[in-house]
Amino acid sequence: GEDVEQSLFLSVREGDSSVINCTYTDSSSTYLYWYKQEPGAGLQLLTYIFSNMDMKQDQRLTVLLNKKDKHLSLRIADTQTGDSAIYFCAEKQSARQLTFGSGTQLTVLP
Amino acid sequence: NAGVTQTPKFRILKIGQSMTLQCTQDMNHNYMYWYRQDPGMGLKLIYYSVGAGITDKGEVPNGYNVSRSTTEDFPLRLELAAPSQTSVYFCASSPGTDDRIDTFGSGTRLTVV
Repeated sequence: GEDVEQSLFLSVREGDSSVINCTYTDSSSTYLYWYKQEPGAGLQLLTYIFSNMDMKQDQRLTVLLNKKDKHLSLRIADTQTGDSAIYFCAEKQSARQLTFGSGTQLTVLP
Repeated sequence: NAGVTQTPKFRILKIGQSMTLQCTQDMNHNYMYWYRQDPGMGLKLIYYSVGAGITDKGEVPNGYNVSRSTTEDFPLRLELAAPSQTSVYFCASSPGTDDRIDTFGSGTRLTVV
């Protein structure tokens, strides 16, 4: 079956770069996404990448996709305390619903 | 545009009670989805709909029912609430023609005691 896996926790110092990793299993996925969720809040779409792309950059965010290894990563440059949140990787498959990972809790230390 | 509106935001139910979680979108989206998010977990798909009159089961449909009589509304029904249904419920929609972006509601936090 389809599954999306992420490491549960990541701590970085303010100003450093954060790299959050994700692996997925469905090779037919069309789009891959990164969502951010702050405590008690809904989901905020951060960025997405189409499956035929290798990289996408959007201000402080860089998404890398290795389709051969089914590996997706999100790099946040110059991480700030406001970046502390849970980050979810998700894939959209041919049936168009999203399959989510369990989320990575990013803690930014001063 | 309001986007995707969910009501209520919070609810406490007793075991065995029933309730309907409301979801409305004003973007004329064809696709609508219900997800649940358990503590420390990602979202899991309960039901989805590709258009009015059409619904289909997702990964975790047991204990729930849905209907889609209009394009705008996609209510989720819990008939006999159980503690295992304590969760945060998110409704989402997407155009169907452009599959990139899903719009999420702000969620309904349900506790069953």
